[in-house]
Amino acid sequence: DTGVSQDPRHKITKRGQNVTFRCDPISEHNRLYWYRQTLGQGPEFLTYFQNEAQLEKSRLLSDRFSAERPKGSFSTLEIQRTEQGDSAMYLCASSPTSGRFYNEQFFGPGTRLTVL
Amino acid sequence: GQNIDQPTEMTATEGAIVQINCTYQTSGFNGLFWYQQHAGEAPTFLSYNVLDGLEEKGRFSSFLSRSKGYSYLLLKELQMKDSASYLCAVRDQSGGATNKLIFGTGTLLAVQP
Repeated sequence: DTGVSQDPRHKITKRGQNVTFRCDPISEHNRLYWYRQTLGQGPEFLTYFQNEAQLEKSRLLSDRFSAERPKGSFSTLEIQRTEQGDSAMYLCASSPTSGRFYNEQFFGPGTRLTVL
Repeated sequence: GQNIDQPTEMTATEGAIVQINCTYQTSGFNGLFWYQQHAGEAPTFLSYNVLDGLEEKGRFSSFLSRSKGYSYLLLKELQMKDSASYLCAVRDQSGGATNKLIFGTGTLLAVQP
């Protein structure tokens, strides 16, 4: 296993369009997180899944944002009617629920979204 | 509320030692993390503290004082490749068993020859 993967790595879209990002966590990691990071800032928590259940959503996640993890493996993050303020790096992370790496979140390379 | 403070930028010399401080105020504290992030890349895990004291891992050490809401990351024998942003993050369980991380803005470290 080569770690958390995200697709696409870069996305340029026009304001008002919908976009969808995919995250494949490390296999056997039950926990999956989405964060958003803008330039010069630390990542901001968006949402969290344990298996297929979405257990928490940040207030930052407006109703234009939706995330799914239908089979408890990969996850998708969709942004509808994109706005220029949505331009950011979207990071996915995963972690196990037990074992040596229980306390670590492993981050993927991110999807950089640019809304024109 | 939740608040994490760390210096915005620091500069140090190759071979030297640098200490990056982090102060935090948060409910539901359940551990403090340090991540390294090179420009355009994902954060990578450096250290984790949940009890008071010093954790050492090679050239990197991290300290935590829960009563003071304070941590620091110590980098020894600095190398040019250590130039990166260092993110302090607190694990917040105030909303349940989420384990979400609340990050500071990061400290951009520049290592000079």
